[in-house]
Amino acid sequence: QVQLVESGGGVVQPGRSLRLSCAASGFPFSVWGMHWVRQAPGKGLEWVAVLAHDGATEYYGDSVKGRFTISRDNSKNTLYLQMNSLGAEDTAVYYCVRDLRGRYFDFWGQGTLVTVSS
Amino acid sequence: EIVLTQSPATLSLSPGERATLSCRASQSVSTYLAWYQQKPGQAPRLLIYDASSRATGIPARFIGSGSGTDFALTISSLEPEDFAVYYCQQNNRWPALTFGGGTVVEIK
Repeated sequence: QVQLVESGGGVVQPGRSLRLSCAASGFPFSVWGMHWVRQAPGKGLEWVAVLAHDGATEYYGDSVKGRFTISRDNSKNTLYLQMNSLGAEDTAVYYCVRDLRGRYFDFWGQGTLVTVSS
Repeated sequence: EIVLTQSPATLSLSPGERATLSCRASQSVSTYLAWYQQKPGQAPRLLIYDASSRATGIPARFIGSGSGTDFALTISSLEPEDFAVYYCQQNNRWPALTFGGGTVVEIK
């Protein structure tokens, strides 16, 4: 079955960087687009970024554009999110999510918590 | 940016009752709308996409409807496991994907 397992979260100081990873299994990773979606504590969902199946096309939400970079290694079935210049507003659970038809999110990982605090 | 407004914020119902959740878009999203369910401590789960298509394994009691700017998710008869938060999401203008603020369905 489809499995997405995020890792790399933790506590980080404002202004620092962090890289999240998402290990995928149970489906042909290299043919699926992938997203990151986040959820601040007690809040709603916010789309962060998307990457095409071949890594050729990427898009970002306005709040992270220029600071975050999404990437993938199809040989390792792994999705990444490099997060730079982190601020308190980036504190959230980050979910790795499989794309459905370029429009929706059909399988979600359990998430990894990122806390930005001094 | 297309804004999605969900109502009511909280719906208090008993098992067996019918739930109707609303999602209104600030401009037309055609039928490019999805619904997700999230239980405490869990990741969201896709219920409905393209406004009315049920995702794999979703029970028939979950019914999506609407087009343009007005959408609804109906749960025909609430089961105990249906008490959760529900989010709508649109993608009419790639790549801007946005979510509504959510509706809590709680046990009365």
